[in-house]
Parts: sequence; structure tokens; C-alpha cells
Amino acid sequence: QQKVQQSPESLSVPEGGMASFNCTSSDRNFQYFWWYRQHSGEGPKALMSIFSDGDKKEGRFTAHLNKASLHVSLHIRDSQPSDSALYFCAASAGSFNKLTFGAGTRLAVCP
Amino acid sequence: ETAVFQTPNYHVTQVGNEVSFNCKQTLGHDTMYWYKQDSKKLLKIMFSYNNKQLIVNETVPRRFSPQSSDKAHLNLRIKSVEPEDSAVYLCASSPWTGGQNTLYFGAGTRLSVL
Repeated sequence: QQKVQQSPESLSVPEGGMASFNCTSSDRNFQYFWWYRQHSGEGPKALMSIFSDGDKKEGRFTAHLNKASLHVSLHIRDSQPSDSALYFCAASAGSFNKLTFGAGTRLAVCP
Repeated sequence: ETAVFQTPNYHVTQVGNEVSFNCKQTLGHDTMYWYKQDSKKLLKIMFSYNNKQLIVNETVPRRFSPQSSDKAHLNLRIKSVEPEDSAVYLCASSPWTGGQNTLYFGAGTRLSVL
């Protein structure tokens, strides 16, 4: 069983809509969480990090972390076709920055 | 803007051959990594180096060997490739080894083993 589980596997939203991603960890040692985005043919690129309970907002992106339930989410408002990509949740326990990635959620934003 | 450079972009080879991939980062980071992304897009860490020293070596077959000449370069050699080695190999860097550091990835090298 993967230590970082993401849902849904895929997601389709209309342009201008809200896209929401979920991530749950089974390892209570994880302290630091990220969302990465990967466009086709490119490497993953960090979108946001979140280390404390609560919400973190950066432009159209909002992440939420609940350490007690080891749940982290990402919401994209006003989704654009350029947001179409593979979204990964990643977590680290802090030692030697061994990032563990989830399996990803594929987002399609339809014009 | 690309700051982690990987070569080659693609490599096609046959079972049993040796291959080498190169990675260079211009961010001035101390730590570099190799990740493997399989056909299902799963990402798994293989190795990490901090200032030329190996610090993480996950359970990978012995035919894989990383090489670092300085903290800006990290290469990967596969001595005798197997079909299951077909994947995208992603190089990354981070400022240092602490858990709060963001990773910066290259575009990857896609390996196809026939």
C-alpha cells in the first residue's frame, strides 16, 4: 500500500471552474507536504508547500492541511486550460528530504 | 526557466547494453537526486547526493550506479539494462538535505529497452 494516496485518479472541470484534489498519508512521521504539477514532456514542478495546519493561499491555488488526520487538499479556482496536467501530492518526514509521492491525479480543463 | 539540465532526452537501447545519463544544475544547490518515473507515472527516489557524498541509496539493483564529480553534476550509469528499466529518469536538486526543501526537477531522460 502506498504511503501517500491521492484521489480522484482523474478529474475534468470546465474552464473557469474549481478543481479539487485530495491526499491522505498513512505515515505519521510525515511533517512536510507539497503539491507538484507535471505537464506532458516536462519534469514535476512544485506548486505549493504546506507545513502547518490550516489553509495556505497563493493566487488561484489554496492548500489545506490537517495533520491530525494526515489529510492535505489542493483547490484551484478559475481553472484554465493550461492547468491541465498531472498533479502529485508529496510528503517528507524531514530526514534527508526523501520525498514520497502519491500516484497523481490527472486534471483536464475543458474550454 | 530550466535550471536542471538532463542529457540525453531519449535513449533507445537493447537488453544487456550499458547506458549513462547526465545531469547538471545551475542553481548552486548542495543536494541532487535521481528519481525513476514508471509507465504509470509513479515517482520513486533512487539516490541522493549531498555535496558529492551519497546520502540516500534506496533499494535499486546493483547495475545502477550514480556518479558525482562535484555538487553541480550527478550522473547515472546502468551497467546492463533490463526491460524493466524502461522508464523516465528524473534528476532533481534542492538547496540542502532538510525536509522543508523544494525539489527542482529536470525534464527527464526517457529510456526504452528493446
